[in-house]
Amino acid sequence: GENVEQHPSTLSVQEGDSAVIKCTYSDSASNYFPWYKQELGKGPQLIIDIRSNVGEKKDQRIAVTLNKTAKHFSLHITETQPEDSAVYFCAASNTGFQKLVFGTGTRLLVSP
Amino acid sequence: EPEVTQTPSHQVTQMGQEVILRCVPISNHLYFYWYRQILGQKVEFLVSFYNNEISEKSEIFDDQFSVERPDGSNFTLKIRSTKLEDSAMYFCASSGLGGPNEQFFGPGTRLTVL
Repeated sequence: GENVEQHPSTLSVQEGDSAVIKCTYSDSASNYFPWYKQELGKGPQLIIDIRSNVGEKKDQRIAVTLNKTAKHFSLHITETQPEDSAVYFCAASNTGFQKLVFGTGTRLLVSP
Repeated sequence: EPEVTQTPSHQVTQMGQEVILRCVPISNHLYFYWYRQILGQKVEFLVSFYNNEISEKSEIFDDQFSVERPDGSNFTLKIRSTKLEDSAMYFCASSGLGGPNEQFFGPGTRLTVL
């Protein structure tokens, strides 16, 4: 089955810096890759996603890139703010209403 | 903005007892899921549900677990005889008109088994 690896496990940046979180997946049939932000005591919140027919997607300060050949995808956050501090999870899924397989999470800390 | 709701927020139970976790998915969504997250670990898939039947389940979802959509709004997860290792955060999710893969999560129920 699908296996998703995520790095780094923790990431500390200064406010205004960029942050990059990387994930790799194992199942070449996976075609949907969402990113979730989880704040303490809350459920995962979908922040951006990308499908396998697209190489890059951007939404304001957040962007995601996908390399299908290498089976990896990345989350890029520019101009980080303290409120970006949270745990970020990548996930992968294949067609239909299939399960999401999550990565192990990255704890992002943005210092003022 | 529509959201998934879950009750209770925290459930404490004794080992061997039955618990029912409740979820109200986003209205008009058609696909429903349960996930769990053991403290400090990643989110794990338990089960997906569509058209009033289970569409996929993980190896975690054994005979002690069941799901039900008793009416047009609620979606429940029942654990028949809880074990200590069932202690976790349980998240309900739903997806629908935006594409079956876009799953929106509820705030979770923290289950503590003593």
